[in-house]
Amino acid sequence: DVKVTQSSRYLVKRTGEKVFLECVQDMDHENMFWYRQDPGLGLRLIYFSYDVKMKEKGDIPEGYSVSREKKERFSLILESASTNQTSMYLCASSRRTGSETQYFGPGTRLLVL
Amino acid sequence: KQEVTQIPAALSVPEGENLVLNCSFTDSAIYNLQWFRQDPGKGLTSLLLIQSSQREQTSGRLNASLDKSSGRSTLYIAASQPGDSATYLCAVNLAMGNTGKLIFGQGTTLQVKP
Repeated sequence: DVKVTQSSRYLVKRTGEKVFLECVQDMDHENMFWYRQDPGLGLRLIYFSYDVKMKEKGDIPEGYSVSREKKERFSLILESASTNQTSMYLCASSRRTGSETQYFGPGTRLLVL
Repeated sequence: KQEVTQIPAALSVPEGENLVLNCSFTDSAIYNLQWFRQDPGKGLTSLLLIQSSQREQTSGRLNASLDKSSGRSTLYIAASQPGDSATYLCAVNLAMGNTGKLIFGQGTTLQVKP
């Protein structure tokens, strides 16, 4: 079974803090994704990566950056957290072809005070 | 720009009923369409994936259909059970390059009453 894990289920941070969200997958998938999910707005793609050290902006990259130093790990970074980044963050991975499904982690619920 | 719409936003049915969830998309140039299930506060679980060349896929009590030309997909759930209560999301795969970027609908929240 594919397993996608996220470093934290819940996080509480202060405005202005630097926040790291970690995602690890164990199936040697090439593609990895970061989404945020908000009521009324659904899932929106923040960044994705199709290879080590490669990254592409999604629909809402502002205020975020990412890092992919190893194939299995994809990190989302909030350089200076703001209250409007309070959300549920979901990581996913898939094979390179794109014809297969994405596998999702359990999510990290982030509260920025 | 591709947009994905799911109707209804919420649905409540008695146990044992057969039901249909609807998904529509504005651009028929898709690579595939996927249905996911999400339990409250959890991640997404893949239910069915239909390639653009296929018309339907089945898994147990679930059947998903795809009509690319009309921009529609349906998820049929037979003999619904309380354990089916969850939010169901459809997503279309734009397959930009090799990345398989997904565009999601906002979901239908299903409640199955015992």
